[in-house]
Amino acid sequence: DIVMTQSPDSLAVSLGERATINCKSSQSLLYRSTNKNSLAWYRQKPGQPPKLLIYWASTRESGVPDRFSGSGSGTDFTLSISSLQAEDVAVYYCQQYYSTPWTFGQGTKVEIK
Amino acid sequence: EVQLLESGGDLVQPGGSLRLSCAASGFTFSTYAMTWVRQAPGKGLEWVSAISRSGGTTYYADSVRGRFTISRDNSKNTLYLHMISLRAEDTAVYFCAKKKADDYFFDYWGQGTLVTVSS
Repeated sequence: DIVMTQSPDSLAVSLGERATINCKSSQSLLYRSTNKNSLAWYRQKPGQPPKLLIYWASTRESGVPDRFSGSGSGTDFTLSISSLQAEDVAVYYCQQYYSTPWTFGQGTKVEIK
Repeated sequence: EVQLLESGGDLVQPGGSLRLSCAASGFTFSTYAMTWVRQAPGKGLEWVSAISRSGGTTYYADSVRGRFTISRDNSKNTLYLHMISLRAEDTAVYFCAKKKADDYFFDYWGQGTLVTVSS
């Protein structure tokens, strides 16, 4: 199974500042035939289901604000929130869909400093 | 508007069984693979099972293989998860989710239904 490890487990960021979350996979998620990385990011607010933010490591889902961006390739990925808003307080998860079983990171809790 | 509505969660004794349902609307159900993901209280997300558009191909996490069965009725726009031999560690909120067309990541999720396994 591919193990997904996020860092940090939690972070506190001031409103308007940048938040950066890292996700490392135990094996490469890059399909060389398509040059795409099978990595998605989700945001889960308290009491709500997860919401898809990013897929193919860097493609923003329709309707997701452009302050969210994804980057990385192979085994190392990053989710950045360029200017943290109050509504971004949540837990963020990465997920690999390179191979079954599809696996999630343990989550990163983002709070306001 | 895409909607996914889970039901069937309950308190069940260890060793018991339960069937979860997920009623889908707002999209052509039969043209999308579907999945179940669970979340134990205060914990992270764990993928459980998935099923292809036709129902002909199914996938399971090792933790539930042999105990859980995923199925779908495309005429009723409904996804199911039949669970037997339930254990305390199966206690979780169970979400159904729709696979986005491209690959196995999930663009719409239901609100979840709580399964509690306890004596």
